[in-house]
Amino acid sequence: DTGVSQNPRHKITKRGQNVTFRCDPISEHNRLYWYRQTLGQGPEFLTYFQNEAQLEKSRLLSDRFSAERPKGSFSTLEIQRTEQGDSAMYLCASSLDGTKAKNIQYFGAGTRLSVL
Amino acid sequence: AQTVTQSQPEMSVQEAETVTLSCTYDTSESNYYLFWYKQPPSRQMILVIRQEAYKQQNATENRFSVNFQKAAKSFSLKISDSQLGDTAMYFCAFMGGSNYKLTFGKGTLLTVNP
Repeated sequence: DTGVSQNPRHKITKRGQNVTFRCDPISEHNRLYWYRQTLGQGPEFLTYFQNEAQLEKSRLLSDRFSAERPKGSFSTLEIQRTEQGDSAMYLCASSLDGTKAKNIQYFGAGTRLSVL
Repeated sequence: AQTVTQSQPEMSVQEAETVTLSCTYDTSESNYYLFWYKQPPSRQMILVIRQEAYKQQNATENRFSVNFQKAAKSFSLKISDSQLGDTAMYFCAFMGGSNYKLTFGKGTLLTVNP
């Protein structure tokens, strides 16, 4: 079990550019989550998938943000026309449905985005 | 909406001593789960301990234990025999019974001193 993998680890971009992050969950985990963490704060929920279906989106997820999970495996989070306020750590987590899984979410190391 | 409050931004403890981190939460749900996650510097977040609200018995995991007071909506974490590797940001988190998203507190930065 290789854990949740996120790429890239760091991304520096200029305001107005588009960026895309990738998350590879733990294999066979059917749920995948995206969170955003700013300095000095706890992670905030953005969206989650069950298999390929996006089941919930936070109000934090403006129309510049889009997330996909084709085929229910890896997921991508795209931010269009980045703004300085988008600078944050973007965390991905995955979990396995079922009573034995105990609703435990396993986190990746995150992608740190800096918008100049 | 659920809220999670961690009132101690920073704490320190001497190696081998015991420390307690505080967490309170607010919810109208009767079925839910509570978690403590640890985020070491520049490393990924890992689960420390988990508590199901319907269980009266406090969860324990080796040196880590919780004091779950459901009526008071309090969920504190006790770390016994603190080790240098326990130095990290600790987050308290809430998950509703019918919802899979985690709501986190702002975190407590714990430093274990030699």
